[in-house]
Amino acid sequence: EIVMTQSPATLSVSPGDRATLSCRARQSVSSNLAWYQHKPGQAPRLLIYGASTRATGVPVRFSGSGSGTEFTLTISGLQSEDFAIYYCQQYDNWPPFTFGPGTRVEI
Amino acid sequence: QVQLMQSGAEVQKPGASVKLSCRASGYTFAHYALHWVRQAPGQSLEWMGWINSGNGNTEHAEKFQGRVAIYRDTSAAIVYMELSSLRSEDTAMYFCARLVKKDYFDSRGHFDLWGRGTLITVSS
Repeated sequence: EIVMTQSPATLSVSPGDRATLSCRARQSVSSNLAWYQHKPGQAPRLLIYGASTRATGVPVRFSGSGSGTEFTLTISGLQSEDFAIYYCQQYDNWPPFTFGPGTRVEI
Repeated sequence: QVQLMQSGAEVQKPGASVKLSCRASGYTFAHYALHWVRQAPGQSLEWMGWINSGNGNTEHAEKFQGRVAIYRDTSAAIVYMELSSLRSEDTAMYFCARLVKKDYFDSRGHFDLWGRGTLITVSS
């Protein structure tokens, strides 16, 4: 299975800041990578797929980049509702689908 | 409204079985595969298995072989997952998620719609 890692584990930021989250795959996943936002008690929300395509309704402050083994999710101008846990997930080679351990974005 | 509605929380004893449901609405049920993903306390997301909502074919992660069964009721647009021989490590939030394929012939895809989850607690 393809192991995914994320850094940092926790990112402490302030509203209005720019947040940069990293995701790495142990082997190439091409551009077959998605990012999800998860808040406690809620369903995970798809933000980015294809490494860089914003899902429907996702604000433009969320952007994704990368390919192969290194990926980045950038949140420009953090808003209070952006404080959550963010997971990357590869779908290049499954089963199984694999997720990173997550990055918690906190104030 | 396009959504996945999951069944309510349950407490089960070790060794027991549990059946979770995920009801799809607002879209053509048979057009999208549904997957099950769980999250143990403090842990990341773990893919468990999936069902082709159209033909009923299923596949499970190796670690759950022999313990998990996924099936569907097409008339009600509901997918069920049964997990047996429960142990404490199965305590988790269980999510169903809809897969959007890259294209018709490519099974790879991302999860565009998730349920809110069902909390299963395994405790004696």
